[in-house]
Amino acid sequence: RKEVEQDPGPFNVPEGATVAFNCTYSNSASQSFFWYRQDCRKEPKLLMSVYSSGNEDGRFTAQLNRASQYISLLIRDSKLSDSATYLCVVNLGTSYDKVIFGPGTSLSVIP
Amino acid sequence: ETGVTQSPTHLIKTRGQQVTLRCSSQSGHNTVSWYQQALGQGPQFIFQYYREEENGRGNFPPRFSGLQFPNYSSELNVNALELDDSALYLCASSPSRTYGYTFGSGTRLTVV
Repeated sequence: RKEVEQDPGPFNVPEGATVAFNCTYSNSASQSFFWYRQDCRKEPKLLMSVYSSGNEDGRFTAQLNRASQYISLLIRDSKLSDSATYLCVVNLGTSYDKVIFGPGTSLSVIP
Repeated sequence: ETGVTQSPTHLIKTRGQQVTLRCSSQSGHNTVSWYQQALGQGPQFIFQYYREEENGRGNFPPRFSGLQFPNYSSELNVNALELDDSALYLCASSPSRTYGYTFGSGTRLTVV
């Protein structure tokens, strides 16, 4: 089993739609969690951290379920500019920051 | 605007050669990690340095090595290049594990 798995995608949605990405991780000792976005041929950029209590940043909501080892990202009212690959990231955080990326899920928002 | 800069942006090398990639992190970012990203895949962890010492490594052979310097710069060295080493190499730094990492724009290495 891979350490971090994500929905295979791609997701093609119309503008204004709500889209949800799912991610699971295998190591129950994982300590911190993030969503990154990566535009084509660009570097990944931190979108938001993910907390057990859930957190929201504008149209983006992230949730963490430690018992199920599951992370989600919800995007409401999708914009064309949301088109990118979304990477689920888990920090095992043992004696060092072993940061593991999922394979990413591609999103295309269509006019 | 990223506070992490990498050089060069693109590089073409021949199989068997050696390459050094460079990264300059933000001041105060004591942790730097290097990643390899093949086309269509997520970044793969190569290794991490903290205060100039390697303190973690992914599943990469010893011909991948690195250095971190007191001025927050670092290097990734790859010896005996293979065709499969062709990828985007990303450097990322962080002041603390709870803050997430800031990535440089990467070096795209092509091995021919």
